[in-house]
Amino acid sequence: GDSVTQMEGPVTLSEEAFLTINCTYTATGYPSLFWYVQYPGEGLQLLLKATKADDKGSNKGFEATYRKETTSFHLEKGSVQVSDSAVYFCASRSNDYKLSFGAGTTVTVRA
Amino acid sequence: GAGVSQSPSNKVTEKGKDVELRCDPISGHTALYWYRQSLGQGLEFLIYFQGNSAPDKSGLPSDRFSAERTGGSVSTLTIQRTQQEDSAVYLCASSGQPQETQYFGPGTRLLVL
Repeated sequence: GDSVTQMEGPVTLSEEAFLTINCTYTATGYPSLFWYVQYPGEGLQLLLKATKADDKGSNKGFEATYRKETTSFHLEKGSVQVSDSAVYFCASRSNDYKLSFGAGTTVTVRA
Repeated sequence: GAGVSQSPSNKVTEKGKDVELRCDPISGHTALYWYRQSLGQGLEFLIYFQGNSAPDKSGLPSDRFSAERTGGSVSTLTIQRTQQEDSAVYLCASSGQPQETQYFGPGTRLLVL
């Protein structure tokens, strides 16, 4: 099955800083790739996704590009806000339906 | 419409007791999934239901775990003779079709004393 490795946290940033969370995957074929976010006290929410190589997913100022050559799907945001404090999960899904998740990265943004 | 709902939101039980966790998927979604989020293991797939097909139980950690989905809608995850290592957040998700985006519920936080 798929496996996903993402940058371990915790990550602490100041407001307006640049955020990058690295994510690499191992899969047979070409999986769909996802970033999910879990805000404090809330459930997992889909942040963005990409279904084929070179696709860029974007939402709420976050972006991630599906890089087949490096098997990566790094998450970036140019200027974070306090409200971006959350746990971020990278996930992949190959030809079946199971999502394989990374360990999660806790991000704290300080005012 | 409403999202995926789960109940109870929190459950504390004693070791050896049975527990039932409930999931109400998004109306019209045919695919339903259970995952477990625990400190030591991260997020793990448990079981998958699609329509009337036989469920994929390949992620269930032991035979103490079982799940059913009645009428193609509500699902119940049952853990028999709970152990402390079963303490985790149990997440339910649903999607319109298996290859579509999975939408997650808020989870049930289970603590086994």
